Amino acid sequence: AQSVTQLDSHVSVSEGTPVLLRCNYSSSYSPSLFWYVQHPNKGLQLLLKYTSAATLVKGINGFEAEFKKSETSFHLTKPSAHMSDAAEYFCVVSDKDNRLAFGKGNQVVVIP
Amino acid sequence: DAGVTQSPTHLIKTRGQHVTLRCSPISGHKSVSWYQQVLGQGPQFIFQYYEKEERGRGNFPDRFSARQFPNYSSELNVNALLLGDSALYLCASSQEAPMNTEAFFGQGTRLTVV
Repeated sequence: AQSVTQLDSHVSVSEGTPVLLRCNYSSSYSPSLFWYVQHPNKGLQLLLKYTSAATLVKGINGFEAEFKKSETSFHLTKPSAHMSDAAEYFCVVSDKDNRLAFGKGNQVVVIP
Repeated sequence: DAGVTQSPTHLIKTRGQHVTLRCSPISGHKSVSWYQQVLGQGPQFIFQYYEKEERGRGNFPDRFSARQFPNYSSELNVNALLLGDSALYLCASSQEAPMNTEAFFGQGTRLTVV
């Protein structure tokens, strides 16, 4: 079975500083990996996805993530945090039938 | 184009009651999945339907059931509600047979069981 580990349930960053959200996955085969963002009272929105193409994946709003098979990691980064980045972020692994397994999430707070 | 729509957006039920949640996928999408998101946790997979057939079921009791209609809309039913069923229920649709295609999520139905 696929699973995802997200440490640091709450992350505080200052506006304009880098954001780093860590994700490690477990999968019995080559996984598809995603990062989703959830703003308060809004649905889940896809930030980016990795599906065995380039290991460095660029997403929306300046986010990117790097797939490292040797470390079973898929960390999410952004060079400069914006106030609008305050939200909950989920790392997700997909099984072969596209059933999604979510991590517990990172609640990001951006300090002005 | 309309996204994934879910109804109702909020509802309150009493323990022991039954509830039906509804989901309309994006036009052209044939796969619908349901997820339960308890406060403070990530969503958990409940069901997946494709072309009106159940393709997968998560670790949920038999009180949970679902179906998909010929127009690809879907219903999630929960019987004998428990306080622990209080959660945000999310529906996701995707375009093709489940093969790592992007899932688009609705805004969810917030269920409160009292």
